[in-house]
Amino acid sequence: QKEVEQNSGPLSVPEGAIASLNCTYSDRGSQSFFWYRQYSGKSPELIMFIYSNGDKEDGRFTAQLNKASQYVSLLIRDSQPSDSATYLCAVKNFNKFYFGSGTKLNVKP
Amino acid sequence: DGGITQSPKYLFRKEGQNVTLSCEQNLNHDAMYWYRQDPGQGLRLIYYSQIVNDFQKGDIAEGYSVSREKKESFPLTVTSAQKNPTAFYLCASSPRGREEETQYFGPGTRLLVL
Repeated sequence: QKEVEQNSGPLSVPEGAIASLNCTYSDRGSQSFFWYRQYSGKSPELIMFIYSNGDKEDGRFTAQLNKASQYVSLLIRDSQPSDSATYLCAVKNFNKFYFGSGTKLNVKP
Repeated sequence: DGGITQSPKYLFRKEGQNVTLSCEQNLNHDAMYWYRQDPGQGLRLIYYSQIVNDFQKGDIAEGYSVSREKKESFPLTVTSAQKNPTAFYLCASSPRGREEETQYFGPGTRLLVL
C-alpha cells in the first residue's frame, strides 16, 4: 500500500473556476502535510503546508486537513492558465518526506 | 544568495561508468535528501542524511552511493550496478527537528544513458 495516494488526473478546469486536488495518506502518525507545484522539467516548489485539522488559506490557495479521515486537499480559487502544472502532496514523518505521484492540472483559457 | 545548487544540469553516462551528481546548499540545513523522479511519477527517496558523517538508505538505494563529509555538500554517485539510471534527480535540504519545516529543492540533474 502506497504511503500517499493522489489521483493522477489530468484534472481540467476552465479559467476562473475552483480546482480541487485531493490526497490520502496511510500513516496515522503523520504530522505535517505539504503541497508542491511542479512545472514540467522543473523542481517542485512549495505552495502551502498544514499541520492542524481544518482550513488554512493563503491568497487563492486553501489547504484542508482531516486527520481522522487521513485526508488533505488543496483548493485553488480563480484558477489561471499559469496554475497548469503537476501538484504533489507530501507527508512528513520524523524528518522523512513521502510524496504522492502528483495530480496534473490543466486550466483552460 | 541562499539556496541549493545541483550540477551538472544534464549528465550522460556510458555503460559500466560511475557518475557523480553534485549537491551544495548554503542554507545551513542539517538534513539533505536525494530523490529520483521518472516521467509521470512522484519522487522516490534514494538516500538521506540528518547530520554530517551519517546517512540512511531510502526506498531505492540499490546502485547508488552517497557521502556527507561536509554540512553543505551531499554528492550522489550512480554506480554501474544501477541498470536503469535514466531519470530526473532532485536534491533537497531541510532544517532538522521542526515538523512544519519543509524541504527546499535544487534545480535537478537530468541523467541520460548513452
